[in-house]
Amino acid sequence: GAGVSQSPSNKVTEKGKDVELRCDPISGHTALYWYRQSLGQGLEFLIYFQGNSAPDKSGLPSDRFSAERTGGSVSTLTIQRTQQEDSAVYLCASSPRTALEAFFGQGTRLTVV
Amino acid sequence: KQEVTQIPAALSVPEGENLVLNCSFTDSAIYNLQWFRQDPGKGLTSLLLIQSSQREQTSGRLNASLDKSSGRSTLYIAASQPGDSATYLCAVIGDDMRFGAGTRLTVKP
Repeated sequence: GAGVSQSPSNKVTEKGKDVELRCDPISGHTALYWYRQSLGQGLEFLIYFQGNSAPDKSGLPSDRFSAERTGGSVSTLTIQRTQQEDSAVYLCASSPRTALEAFFGQGTRLTVV
Repeated sequence: KQEVTQIPAALSVPEGENLVLNCSFTDSAIYNLQWFRQDPGKGLTSLLLIQSSQREQTSGRLNASLDKSSGRSTLYIAASQPGDSATYLCAVIGDDMRFGAGTRLTVKP
């Protein structure tokens, strides 16, 4: 597609369930970022992938959060045993490589009830 | 760890005013700086990218400057319009990409 695509756009889940959020970056982009934005807050860095390098996981808030990127393209962010405080918009961005212009998807709004 | 601060947190101006949004960062070892706007309930739209070797970048009524040595960037909006109302975010791009908390701008007709 022409832009960064995220799915689902909205997800409501019960507390304790696992969820998977998907990000399809722009074709050919080697850098991929995940952020979390709670209501009325700024963007909290979660994880960053660059090509085949080991990802920067320094922003993941707990071991319930994990992410992978298959074949250097699609990325999945997994949250295990979801908690109410995980409710937020999860945003994904990609860029051709580190330090070039980044483009964002529309985000996935996660609500944990 | 890179810390990014945006001032002011919120700004309300009448239509037609020129205004300046500020972004400061603690680690000057950056590659680029990017300004975004975010409309309520929406994703981020890229406005301008300034490379570390540049001092400013212009797009229409927007002008962004970068002083890497002092850790500062400004976004200048000329002749503001109600459609400019949004949250403006700066992102500092080094080994990763870190954001400020944003400036929420309201332009009143």
